[in-house]
Amino acid sequence: DQQVKQNSPSLSVQEGRISILNCDYTNSMFDYFLWYKKYPAEGPTFLISISSIKDKNEDGRFTVFLNKSAKHLSLHIVPSQPGDSAVYFCAASASGTGNQFYFGTGTSLTVIP
Amino acid sequence: DVKVTQSSRYLVKRTGEKVFLECVQDMDHENMFWYRQDPGLGLRLIYFSYDVKMKEKGDIPEGYSVSREKKERFSLILESASTNQTSMYLCASNIINRVREQFFGPGTRLTVL
Repeated sequence: DQQVKQNSPSLSVQEGRISILNCDYTNSMFDYFLWYKKYPAEGPTFLISISSIKDKNEDGRFTVFLNKSAKHLSLHIVPSQPGDSAVYFCAASASGTGNQFYFGTGTSLTVIP
Repeated sequence: DVKVTQSSRYLVKRTGEKVFLECVQDMDHENMFWYRQDPGLGLRLIYFSYDVKMKEKGDIPEGYSVSREKKERFSLILESASTNQTSMYLCASNIINRVREQFFGPGTRLTVL
């Protein structure tokens, strides 16, 4: 059973606009969430994270929002750039589970110049 | 800079062959992980290890085994490769009780004919 879900397999956005990628989870024990970015033929690279004690974390053009009551997180990229075109995975983990992460199925973002 | 390396970027094997995938990390991380990535399924955890000679099953361990004889090295073994094990295999590592992000290797694209 998929504990972390990304319901949009793909997203296209114009350069300069905002990209919003969404992620839902089912396990209320998850207390740490991450976003990874993956280019073809490369391993995922860490982008940004958020702890469950916060509802927002910002790093440059990237902001992650966490809504614990809705079990939902989102990644905002503003402004979007063509180099942001990649597959984005959200991941979640719970304390005391040996640092095991549960990944979503990914959203392929295309930023159109 | 953390470096996670995988022994091969591309591998082609025949059904029934024994396959070894090697992963090495250079940052003295306690935890190491093996995932496979398939379209529409995201990253699924096969096995992980939190110490030398220790291993834990992930979500899809069937048909795989692992070996961790040294802290920096984590091997994934396909005892008898089958066509449904054709996939992208990703190794990752992280450190216990610190920022929980995982660092990924570049991946091995395995094709089983």
